[in-house]
This record gives sequence, structure tokens and C-alpha cells, in this order.
Amino acid sequence: SYVLDQPPSVSVAPGETASIICGGNNVETQSVHWYQHRPGQAPLLVMYYDRDRPSGIPDRFSGSKSGNTATLTISRVEAGDEADYYCQVWDSNSDHYVFGTGTKVTVL
Amino acid sequence: QVELVESGGGVVQPGKSLTLSCAASGFGFGGHAMHWVRQAPGQGLAWVAVISYDTRKNYYADSVKGRFTVSRDNSKKTLFLQMNSLRTDDTAIYYCARDVQGSAGGWYFDLWGRGTLVTVSP
Repeated sequence: SYVLDQPPSVSVAPGETASIICGGNNVETQSVHWYQHRPGQAPLLVMYYDRDRPSGIPDRFSGSKSGNTATLTISRVEAGDEADYYCQVWDSNSDHYVFGTGTKVTVL
Repeated sequence: QVELVESGGGVVQPGKSLTLSCAASGFGFGGHAMHWVRQAPGQGLAWVAVISYDTRKNYYADSVKGRFTVSRDNSKKTLFLQMNSLRTDDTAIYYCARDVQGSAGGWYFDLWGRGTLVTVSP
């Protein structure tokens, strides 16, 4: 089955930049979407189609892709950004939606 | 208010059945594909199933195919997940999520509920 790999954790000081990577075969040919999930809350879409930001998401959040790696970047990190972040793609070979393994962002 | 509210979770024995519901409000439910996504304790998000806006297409994760059935009632703006032959590894918080489009494949989730907990235990 298709796998999207993410680092388990990223730690960042307030005001600094956090980069969360998502890697998998053929990511370069797929659209990657990103979700923020705080414990006890509903997940929240923070990026779609690699680099598009939904309304209401601060411009501190940005997305990019190079080769088989997609990246979600959070600039000027705030305490409220502490959450789990997941990438997601649609695998047309299996007709399955696939989530990445998830990255816990800790604000020091 | 645009929201999704799941219900129907609880404690159930292995091999038994349970049906989850997801009530939608504040948007045109009948125009969107709808999903179930789950999160087992200590694990990440895992997609479970999707149903197209018109119920003509649905897809399932390999782990639940043949045991779970997704359905919807557009007149009542409600999504369902019938779960049969439950196993201990089905224990998870189950979220319903709205697809940005109406078809069953290829898109992403732009609205989520807060989830309902299902515990499968002897």
C-alpha cells in the first residue's frame, strides 16, 4: 500500500520557522494536502493542492514541493501552532485516500 | 453554523456491530462526498471510507472492506457507518469529514467533526 513518511516530531522555538516534510513515491505527480490536529479538536485543513491556503489560515503557513518531498512551513511559530500535522494524497492506483504518518510540532 | 456532529460511539464486544451517525448542518450536504476517518489510540489519522454525493460510488480502506458499510440520507443530512464483525483493532475515535467535491475520489477534506469514540473490548 502507498506510504507517506513524515518525521515523528519537530521542535521549534517561538518566532522561529518549522518545516514539516512528507515523502513518498510519485509525490511529485500528486496533489498534497495538509491538516493540523490539536488533541480533542476537529482536524483542520491548513493547505491544499501543495501550496494553496484556505481562508482563515494565516500566511505564516506555506506549502511547497520538490521532487518526491512536500513541505509545510510554519514561519514565526506561535504557541498555538503546537499540534500534530498530517499530509494527505489520493492514491488513484488503489482508490484510497492516504495520510502521512504525522508530525508532532512542539513549541519550546 | 457549518458543522458536523458524530454520534453512536460506545463500548462493544468483539464480533458485535455498531452504527455511527454524522449530522451535518449549515451547508448543502447533498452536494459533497463524505468520509469517515479514524484515529486509534496513540496512532495517526487513517482514512476509512468515502461515499459520493449521490451514493453511486464508495471506497473502503482494506482493513474494513467487507465489514463496514458507509451510507447517507441526503434528505436528513446524515452520514452513517455500519460496522460489523468489530475487532479490538477497530478501537479508535471516528471522525466524519466533508469532501470539497461531490465525487468519491481525488480530493481532500475541508470540514471535520470532533469525532466519536468506539472501544471494542471483551
